[in-house]
Amino acid sequence: GQNIDQPTEMTATEGAIVQINCTYQTSGFNGLFWYQQHAGEAPTFLSYNVLDGLEEKGRFSSFLSRSKGYSYLLLKELQMKDSASYLCAVINSNYQLIWGAGTKLIIKP
Amino acid sequence: GAVVSQHPSRVICKSGTSVKIECRSLDFQATTMFWYRQFPKQSLMLMATSNEGSKATYEQGVEKDKFLINHASLTLSTLTVTSAHPEDSSFYICSASRLESSYNEQFFGPGTRLTVL
Repeated sequence: GQNIDQPTEMTATEGAIVQINCTYQTSGFNGLFWYQQHAGEAPTFLSYNVLDGLEEKGRFSSFLSRSKGYSYLLLKELQMKDSASYLCAVINSNYQLIWGAGTKLIIKP
Repeated sequence: GAVVSQHPSRVICKSGTSVKIECRSLDFQATTMFWYRQFPKQSLMLMATSNEGSKATYEQGVEKDKFLINHASLTLSTLTVTSAHPEDSSFYICSASRLESSYNEQFFGPGTRLTVL
């Protein structure tokens, strides 16, 4: 089967750094997305990785290791508005997008 | 660019009625549109994938006669929930991928919250 695993919930402090991990087992791999979703809203695109390594975009960075089936999203200088769910999704060899259940990130002052 | 709209944003209907939700790509042509359902505190669940001019591909467990999808043009797809029941109450989200996207990124609409009384 195809599976994406990420923690259900994480808590972090405003101004700190948090890393959200995602591991996947899919039939083939054509890229990995991270999306942010605030409660009651649709997901918004954060990052896309298809090659190994780190992609940095402002306060957010995303890392991929294809050999390990592993990715993480790193959020720096956390702000209260970063409280949201973070969804990991993988495109498999059939170009289907397989979604993780999401990680709810709670930011405390 | 890459804006997707959905209409209506919120709908309340009586049990047994049908509800149509529109999904439009406003500034690009969408080769493929996706319909998701999301229950509270759960992840997105893909219901169906539709390509312009062809029949939608439904995920296992999704009744195609109940959730009618029409993808009439490269900028419009509609989802009709027929004979809606309270258990159909959910957040319905569409997304679209565009022809020139090199990695199949999906652009999401704002979602439609359906409440069936």
